[in-house]
Amino acid sequence: KAGVTQTPRYLIKTRGQQVTLSCSPISGHRSVSWYQQTPGQGLQFLFEYFSETQRNKGNFPGRFSGRQFSNSRSEMNVSTLELGDSALYLCASSLAMGDRRGNEQFFGPGTRLTVL
Amino acid sequence: GDSVTQMEGPVTLSEEAFLTINCTYTATGYPSLFWYVQYPGEGLQLLLKATKADDKGSNKGFEATYRKETTSFHLEKGSVQVSDSAVYFCVYSSASKIIFGSGTRLSIRP
Repeated sequence: KAGVTQTPRYLIKTRGQQVTLSCSPISGHRSVSWYQQTPGQGLQFLFEYFSETQRNKGNFPGRFSGRQFSNSRSEMNVSTLELGDSALYLCASSLAMGDRRGNEQFFGPGTRLTVL
Repeated sequence: GDSVTQMEGPVTLSEEAFLTINCTYTATGYPSLFWYVQYPGEGLQLLLKATKADDKGSNKGFEATYRKETTSFHLEKGSVQVSDSAVYFCVYSSASKIIFGSGTRLSIRP
């Protein structure tokens, strides 16, 4: 079974631009979550999508948004980029069956975004 | 509010040493607890989990027990190997949120 794939793997943008990152979950997984990983703040939860609906959201400004398509693929968009948005953005998928608290998440390799 | 506090790193040990990485949490409900590991150059992967109090998760020689009375989920291994060098994350998952600890970088000397 193919793992979680993220594209692109690396991205360089300038301040004020916007960016879209893509995530394809493992086949059959209906939940996709996004995380931001930085050396200073660690791993922080951005949002989770399930069946095309945002189910949970972390504490990030409205410049960060996402969506999920009917095939469970997800995109994350960041508008008006700031230097502080430079980070590794990780996507994770899970089956999201039964008690969601116990679901294992499967992580992609990440997209490294550099904002100049 | 809910939170996860994990032992600061880096931690450096010699091969075959005993490992403990402390993790404590504060919770308003009944979360599940996980340890994820990130090996150099690789993505995060699940190491072990426990979904209720007194559960013990184990994998690859690592163990952690969900202790409700001390709100802890400490990671232990009796004899570490060089291949265990990685960053370890303690994770709390409830119905509405998931919180990652800050990560503990572990380096094992041959």
